Amino acid sequence: EAGVTQSPTHLIKTRGQQVTLRCSPISGHTSVYWYQQALGLGLQFLLWYDEGEERNRGNFPPRFSGRQFPNYSSELNVNALELEDSALYLCASSPGTRPGDTQYFGPGTRLTVL
Amino acid sequence: ELKVEQNPLFLSMQEGKNYTIYCNYSTTSDRLYWYRQDPGKSLESLFVLLSNGAVKQEGRLMASLDTKARLSTLHITAAVHDLSATYFCAGGSSNFGNEKLTFGTGTRLTIIP
Repeated sequence: EAGVTQSPTHLIKTRGQQVTLRCSPISGHTSVYWYQQALGLGLQFLLWYDEGEERNRGNFPPRFSGRQFPNYSSELNVNALELEDSALYLCASSPGTRPGDTQYFGPGTRLTVL
Repeated sequence: ELKVEQNPLFLSMQEGKNYTIYCNYSTTSDRLYWYRQDPGKSLESLFVLLSNGAVKQEGRLMASLDTKARLSTLHITAAVHDLSATYFCAGGSSNFGNEKLTFGTGTRLTIIP
């Protein structure tokens, strides 16, 4: 069974640009989560999508947004990139949100903002 | 809001020794996860703990949960080099269907031959 996939693997952008990251969940999983792992800040929850709807978002500005498609894949968009957006962006999926529904993580997209 | 604290942040231990990583959380959490991350890689799920007194074991790793003390531990028995990695605990915060994981800072474990 294929795991969570993310693209691209690496990305280099300059300040002020916009970026789109993509995630495909494990087959049968309806929930997709986005996390940011920045140096020195640890892993922080960004967004949660389930059944095409945004269900929750972390403490990030509105320039971080995304969506979930009917096939449950997801995009994370970041506008007006800032240097501190440099991080590993991890996508995770789960079959649901019941206790015990583990979130399985993809390999991540490493974003560097110059 | 759920807060999760892990200690120690860094741990060097010799092969064959035992040690414990501690994970404290601040408010009621109905699930506790342990993940492993190798350098430059993603997170690998290790354990899910759902109830007070839950204990799970896989190889040389054993995780436990004490909901009254708001404490989870990850115990390493007779460490081997392959266990070198960063270990994260994460608490689940579920409220009327909302779900997100709050991660601890991670413990970077280095096993020395």
